[in-house]
Amino acid sequence: DTAVSQTPKYLVTQMGNDKSIKCEQNLGHDTMYWYKQDSKKFLKIMFSYNNKELIINETVPNRFSPKSPDKAHLNLHINSLELGDSAVYFCASSQRRAGGPDTQYFGPGTRLTVL
Amino acid sequence: SQQGEEDPQALSIQEGENATMNCSYKTSINNLQWYRQNSGRGLVHLILIRSNEREKHSGRLRVTLDTSKKSSSLLITASRAADTASYFCATDYRGGSEKLVFGKGTKLTVNP
Repeated sequence: DTAVSQTPKYLVTQMGNDKSIKCEQNLGHDTMYWYKQDSKKFLKIMFSYNNKELIINETVPNRFSPKSPDKAHLNLHINSLELGDSAVYFCASSQRRAGGPDTQYFGPGTRLTVL
Repeated sequence: SQQGEEDPQALSIQEGENATMNCSYKTSINNLQWYRQNSGRGLVHLILIRSNEREKHSGRLRVTLDTSKKSSSLLITASRAADTASYFCATDYRGGSEKLVFGKGTKLTVNP
């Protein structure tokens, strides 16, 4: 069984379009994340939700809007896609605990290509 | 920048040799984690070491942490071709938000 799954795996779209990426985890974790990995493999956090509440919101254009319908799902909607949005987007989950972030479990990634 | 910095950026060794990767960071941390990423895949957690720990082992992996030097090392012993991957350190900063800050990674190639 896949612990953290994302759909789609590949997404190719034109500039200006709106697209969504979905993420689901079956680990029973209460915290989920979106990361962006650029072409140089640099991984940067975008958002984090804990029990459907936004707890981390990095400096991300407001064209990116996360939505967490329940603690097992975290979706990412991107409006007016730009060339610079091309990257691999990873979803991850963990269990929140005192003393800092715990082990994070990553999905397989969604490779977004904006033409 | 708060991010960790791994070195070397790339490392190529023969099967059976040991591989050592280093990570340096800038401010006090709660924990430091190491992750592996195979080409085209998501990251996989390897080891978490807490700021009050100095060394941790898991199978062929050995991680050390020196908080006075703000550095950590990951040693893979008796490497295998299947260890070929990128390795990232990730830190969470004491007093910071609940996020992991990843380094740029070390690309390890183990030649058969």
